[in-house]
Amino acid sequence: NAGVTQTPKFQVLKTGQSMTLQCAQDMNHEYMSWYRQDPGMGLRLIHYSVGAGITDQGEVPNGYNVSRSTTEDFPLRLLSAAPSQTSVYFCASSRLEGTYEQYFGPGTRLTVT
Amino acid sequence: SQQGEEDPQALSIQEGENATMNCSYKTSINNLQWYRQNSGRGLVHLILIRSNEREKHSGRLRVTLDTSKKSSSLLITASRAADTASYFCATVPRGGQNFVFGPGTRLSVLP
Repeated sequence: NAGVTQTPKFQVLKTGQSMTLQCAQDMNHEYMSWYRQDPGMGLRLIHYSVGAGITDQGEVPNGYNVSRSTTEDFPLRLLSAAPSQTSVYFCASSRLEGTYEQYFGPGTRLTVT
Repeated sequence: SQQGEEDPQALSIQEGENATMNCSYKTSINNLQWYRQNSGRGLVHLILIRSNEREKHSGRLRVTLDTSKKSSSLLITASRAADTASYFCATVPRGGQNFVFGPGTRLSVLP
């Protein structure tokens, strides 16, 4: 199993550009989520999904869109990048039942200039 | 606002010593988990403790949970340089399904 994969690893955007961060998991997990991590802070939840076709907002959803057309994939779209979105982004997945242990991807380091 | 807060923010110890990190949270929880993050990497799950458990062990890790004080502690015994990382507690509020992370404790284990 590859676990949770994210692409790209690094990205530099100019203000106003849009892009999609890719996330995929091969563990058949129902729950998937996106977090951002900023210096000195924990992870903050952006969006999450409890299954294909179902998404919902987390703590900091503004400026981001998500979709979940399949169980495996959960892309995060930045609509119009802003410097405040400079951060490290992590995708994670877990089963809904059982231990709720989350499996994290390696992260995408995004810089918006 | 963050559900969990780790304490201390940073901890520096010598190899072989024990490291203790604490986590406080605000609302009732289903469970509490501890994660480790090595520099530049994703988080890795260490241990989960349910709200009806008081103590749990896994190798050199010992986790306690006091629901009356809304706090947990993570003890790493006989620390090694490889334990150098940031450690986060994450809670799942009762009735909820999302994880809420604290800001983390940066642990440095000096050889």
